Amino acid sequence: EAGVAQSPRYKIIEKRQSVAFWCNPISGHATLYWYQQILGQGPKLLIQFQNNGVVDDSQLPKDRFSAERLKGVDSTLKIQPAKLEDSAVYLCASSLVGTEVYTGELFFGEGSRLTVL
Amino acid sequence: DAKTTQPNSMESNEEEPVHLPCNHSTISGTDYIHWYRQLPSQGPEYVIHGLTSNVNNRMASLAIAEDRKSSTLILHRATLRDAAVYYCILYSGTYKYIFGTGTRLKVLA
Repeated sequence: EAGVAQSPRYKIIEKRQSVAFWCNPISGHATLYWYQQILGQGPKLLIQFQNNGVVDDSQLPKDRFSAERLKGVDSTLKIQPAKLEDSAVYLCASSLVGTEVYTGELFFGEGSRLTVL
Repeated sequence: DAKTTQPNSMESNEEEPVHLPCNHSTISGTDYIHWYRQLPSQGPEYVIHGLTSNVNNRMASLAIAEDRKSSTLILHRATLRDAAVYYCILYSGTYKYIFGTGTRLKVLA
């Protein structure tokens, strides 16, 4: 079974530039999450989708971050304009939560490491 | 969201059992206890979860206190590959998984 795919794996940009990260969840997973992980900290939930609807985006800095999940499958997280403090690993995860076959597992991709100079 | 408290770091010798504690005194009756681990340069991976009874799987065991205010993840024989950050999370059924800072486990050869 293919896992959660993320790209790009690494991205270096100057502050005030924009960047986009892409996530393809495991097939059939209804719920998709974006987390931000700053070095030395645990992952921080930014936004969660159930199918193509937003369930919670209370921690998403909406003045610069945006995310969408088209047709309830792939998702894109965008940062515009980027700040130095946005340097982090952006993790995408998916789950069968919200379906009849939910088993408790959250599946993560390998993450996209962003460095803002 | 209910919170969990874990020690920042622990050490274990290779091939010895490891008991990783987690306190969750504000847990509600419907919260599941989940454990994930994060190996270096990887995304977190699921380890185990439970509600009230102790649980075993191929990776670990989860011991849940009778009052559910604490739990312990047990690795029966630590290997060098088990060196990771272990996160204890309460899942409340609102689709949210909130991670804390976790316990960094160091395994000594």
